[in-house]
Amino acid sequence: KAGVTQTPRYLIKTRGQQVTLSCSPISGHRSVSWYQQTPGQGLQFLFEYFSETQRNKGNFPGRFSGRQFSNSRSEMNVSTLELGDSALYLCASSPGTAVRETQYFGPGTRLLVL
Amino acid sequence: AQSVTQLDSHVSVSEGTPVLLRCNYSSSYSPSLFWYVQHPNKGLQLLLKYTSAATLVKGINGFEAEFKKSETSFHLTKPSAHMSDAAEYFCALGGGYQKVTFGIGTKLQVIP
Repeated sequence: KAGVTQTPRYLIKTRGQQVTLSCSPISGHRSVSWYQQTPGQGLQFLFEYFSETQRNKGNFPGRFSGRQFSNSRSEMNVSTLELGDSALYLCASSPGTAVRETQYFGPGTRLLVL
Repeated sequence: AQSVTQLDSHVSVSEGTPVLLRCNYSSSYSPSLFWYVQHPNKGLQLLLKYTSAATLVKGINGFEAEFKKSETSFHLTKPSAHMSDAAEYFCALGGGYQKVTFGIGTKLQVIP
């Protein structure tokens, strides 16, 4: 099976712009979670989608949003970018039906905000 | 609330010597615990996971971890470090569709 894919791998944006990141889960996985990774804060949970519905949400401002499509692919959007949004954004997929499942991570999208 | 504490931000070992990366957790319910490894510019790769079966869990690349409920610990070990083990290691609490909590990470340096 192909792994989790994320596009693009690298992005450079300026403050105030918006950005959309994409994640394609492993075939058959219906849950997609998003994480922000920064040197100072480590890995922070953004949100999780299952069957096109947001099932869990972390403590991020409303500028961070996401959605999931019927084929389980997910996008996250960050509006009005700030310098502090520079980070590696990771998505992870799992079947979505049990709490002890393993999450499989993609390679990440590295976002730089100037 | 649940939390994960990785007790060392950096660990340095010589090649061929044992590795110990420490992780303590706090959880109000029976935990699922994971160790992931991240090489530079890569995503996270699962090393091993504990889900209430055997307390000694064996993972890939010779790593293992022991779940100790009385000590609320899930330390990662390897008998003999290899240069390719140099990476950042993350302990995580919760799995699947739970809100997963990650530790801050431990950078492992392997000295030739």
